[in-house]
Amino acid sequence: NAGVTQTPKFQVLKTGQSMTLQCAQDMNHEYMSWYRQDPGMGLRLIHYSVGAGITDQGEVPNGYNVSRSTTEDFPLRLLSAAPSQTSVYFCASSGSGTGELFFGEGSRLTVL
Amino acid sequence: AQKVTQAQTEISVVEKEDVTLDCVYETRDTTYYLFWYKQPPSGELVFLIRRNSFDEQNEISGRYSWNFQKSTSSFNFTITASQVVDSAVYFCALSESSGGSYIPTFGRGTSLIVHP
Repeated sequence: NAGVTQTPKFQVLKTGQSMTLQCAQDMNHEYMSWYRQDPGMGLRLIHYSVGAGITDQGEVPNGYNVSRSTTEDFPLRLLSAAPSQTSVYFCASSGSGTGELFFGEGSRLTVL
Repeated sequence: AQKVTQAQTEISVVEKEDVTLDCVYETRDTTYYLFWYKQPPSGELVFLIRRNSFDEQNEISGRYSWNFQKSTSSFNFTITASQVVDSAVYFCALSESSGGSYIPTFGRGTSLIVHP
């Protein structure tokens, strides 16, 4: 039972580099989302998707891109990494229509 | 404006004490869901409970209980006879029906430290 799988778990980038955080779920969930967690700030929504081909911005979308070409995958792209993007990133999926989330294990990103 | 407020940033208790984590939310929707998640030191996020806006019954699960009061827009979480393993960050979250997406908004979390 894989659930939600995020890769990589750890990544160090230099300012200006780009990278993609991968997220895949095998529960056939419609909804997928990306959150970032920073100390004292809780979990803040970056982008979300309500189905293949449909994405929308959350609270803190700047500097990130997403796409949803399949139900299973929802990658998060950092176009030009900045130190302010140092954070722990969580991908989540939901199929119930209530918002109950299944989370990945998180990806810790450090931007130098 | 913050939709989910967890005013307690950190709570420190001694084992076997009871502790209540507060959560106050704000919404104009009549249909919404409230959640609590636990994040232990290992970092994963663990679902604890979901409550819909039409069900104000309190819920008890072992040492955990939840008090949902629409009149005060609160969804508080009580741990009875706390244990060291309860040490974690606890998040309250709200998902609303507006737009039909039900994507949750989280509070900033309360860090609970239980001392032996």
